Amino acid sequence: SNELTQPPSVSVSPGHTATITCSGEKLGDMYGSWYQQKPGQSPVLVIYQDTKRPSGIPERFSASSSGITATLTISATQAMDEADYYCQTWDSSTGVIFGGGTRLTVL
Amino acid sequence: QVQLQESGPGLVKPSETLSLTCTVSGASISSYYWSWIRQPPGKGLEWIGHIYYSGSTNYNSSLKSRVTISVDTSKNQFSLNLSSVTAADTAVYYCARRLVSPNLDANWLDPWGQGTLVTVST
Repeated sequence: SNELTQPPSVSVSPGHTATITCSGEKLGDMYGSWYQQKPGQSPVLVIYQDTKRPSGIPERFSASSSGITATLTISATQAMDEADYYCQTWDSSTGVIFGGGTRLTVL
Repeated sequence: QVQLQESGPGLVKPSETLSLTCTVSGASISSYYWSWIRQPPGKGLEWIGHIYYSGSTNYNSSLKSRVTISVDTSKNQFSLNLSSVTAADTAVYYCARRLVSPNLDANWLDPWGQGTLVTVST
């Protein structure tokens, strides 16, 4: 299968840790990436190659990967982190694959 | 820094061809892969395809019969044509740079353009 499965929604209290998972067979042999998309804005890369953080992304964003599951962790979550988060990987036969997205609510 | 800007008509009639251009600044288009992605209103991201500066392309199989992506290195631009559009093609269309790890086991999209809404309607 070339699908990536994410929970539709995750809720977190301000200052607490948010965890978003992404599962799919291709994550077993290809690295994953994560994007943050706030309402009305274009997606922004927050994690690439499973665990790397681009310059300018706060240190509270981290990620890990084990087997066919990738996990995005946001520590000390702030109101500004409320957004949709998408995981992504690559399949040599089908191309770029996105997860369905997870809406993170900070309340 | 690298910036991408989509341009093109915001309204296309059913059965016609959607045409968009992405202008790249801050980087040579002759050094990377370049992608198109779309997002229907209220829905998730869908990869359309990408092109290398040499002209080599790779398309989403579900759109392959209707998609053409081309590159103009002299203008530092790449373009998307999607033929025979229907209401289902209404979406925000994004262009983005595709980066690939040296041993090809990772690829990611960064940065993205601001996106342009294309509505298919009479």
